[in-house]
Order: sequence, then structure tokens, then C-alpha cells
Amino acid sequence: AQSVTQLDSQVPVFEEAPVELRCNYSSSVSVYLFWYVQYPNQGLQLLLKYLSGSTLVKGINGFEAEFNKSQTSFHLRKPSVHISDTAEYFCAVSRNQAGTALIFGKGTTLSVSS
Amino acid sequence: GAGVSQSPSNKVTEKGKDVELRCDPISGHTALYWYRQSLGQGLEFLIYFQGNSAPDKSGLPSDRFSAERTGGSVSTLTIQRTQQEDSAVYLCASSSRVSGANVLTFGAGSRLTVL
Repeated sequence: AQSVTQLDSQVPVFEEAPVELRCNYSSSVSVYLFWYVQYPNQGLQLLLKYLSGSTLVKGINGFEAEFNKSQTSFHLRKPSVHISDTAEYFCAVSRNQAGTALIFGKGTTLSVSS
Repeated sequence: GAGVSQSPSNKVTEKGKDVELRCDPISGHTALYWYRQSLGQGLEFLIYFQGNSAPDKSGLPSDRFSAERTGGSVSTLTIQRTQQEDSAVYLCASSSRVSGANVLTFGAGSRLTVL
């Protein structure tokens, strides 16, 4: 079965600094990869996804992630964060196969301060 | 409907009681998921329904938990003989398939507090 490890539970950064949220997965087969975001007191929403093709994927709000098959990673990056990026970020994986569940990591809390 | 609807939004119950949580997915979405979100545990997968296939129940934590999906639409998650450790936010999501992958739309959740 696939699994997801988010290496940092909390990431504090200052406004306008770059940020990287790390995600590693394990799976014996090809996968689809996702990042979801949960802003304070809001529901989860899709930030970006990797299904196939280019390994660099761009999402909403200036975020991007790179799929690295050899390192089984899908790290999320943003070159300059804003206060409004403060949220919890979840990495998720499913097998590249019909009828499989989406498994989430435990989340990373990004706190942006001025 | 326009989004995934969950009810109740908040439920407080006494230990040992049974509870039912309802999820009304987006019309036309064939897949439906239940997750549990508790502090420090992220999103814990519970159960997954895909069309008419047998559900993936591999995430249900004990036999006190069950779920059904009637007519391929509304789903009910039932927790019997609730325990304090069942306190959490229960999230439902439904999905459409994008290039073979399920992209989830989440409901606002049902917050369960077991006293």
C-alpha cells in the first residue's frame, strides 16, 4: 500500500521569504500526487496535482511542486510567501490505477509572519 | 448540489451512544470518501466508495465504524458505542475523474465531540 511522509510538521517563515514543504511517498507502482491546502477555519481545497507529463507542476497562489521519481518526492515550493499563505498543507498520493483510495500525509503547518 | 454537504456540522454526544453522520456529494460524482481529521494526525482515510464496486473499508479503525452509500449518492457514516477517542472532525469528499485520477472536493466536515 502507498504511504506519505511529510517531513516537517511546522514551518515558520517570514513574509517574502522562500519556502519548501517536503513530501516523500512510498509505492511499488506509479502514482498520482497532490497537494491540498486548508486555510484557518476553512475546508480543504486542491492546490496542485501531478498526474503525468512534466514533472514540474504549477498550482494556485504561486505554488509549484516537482515530482522526483528517483527520490520518491513531491516537494512544494513558493519563492516568496505572503501572510495569507498561513495554512495547513497536505500531500496526498494514490496509485495510478482506477478505484484506489487517496492517502494523505499528516500535514505541515506553514506560519508566515511579518 | 453545488458542493459537498455534510450534516450535522457539530455533534456532541455521550460516551456509548451511537451517531450517524451524513454526506451529500456533488451530483454526478461517482466516488465518495470519508476521512477523519484530528489534531496532529492529519487526514486519516476511513472508507472509499467508487461507483458500484465494493467499498474499500481498509481504513475503518474498528468494527464500531461502518458506512453505506445508498443509490450511489448520499452516504452515512455510523459510529456505534462512541468513545472519547472518536472525537474528531469527519470529512467527506466526492470526486470526478480527471485524466484517470480522482480529484477530491471536500465538505466542511462534521465535528464530533464525545463526552
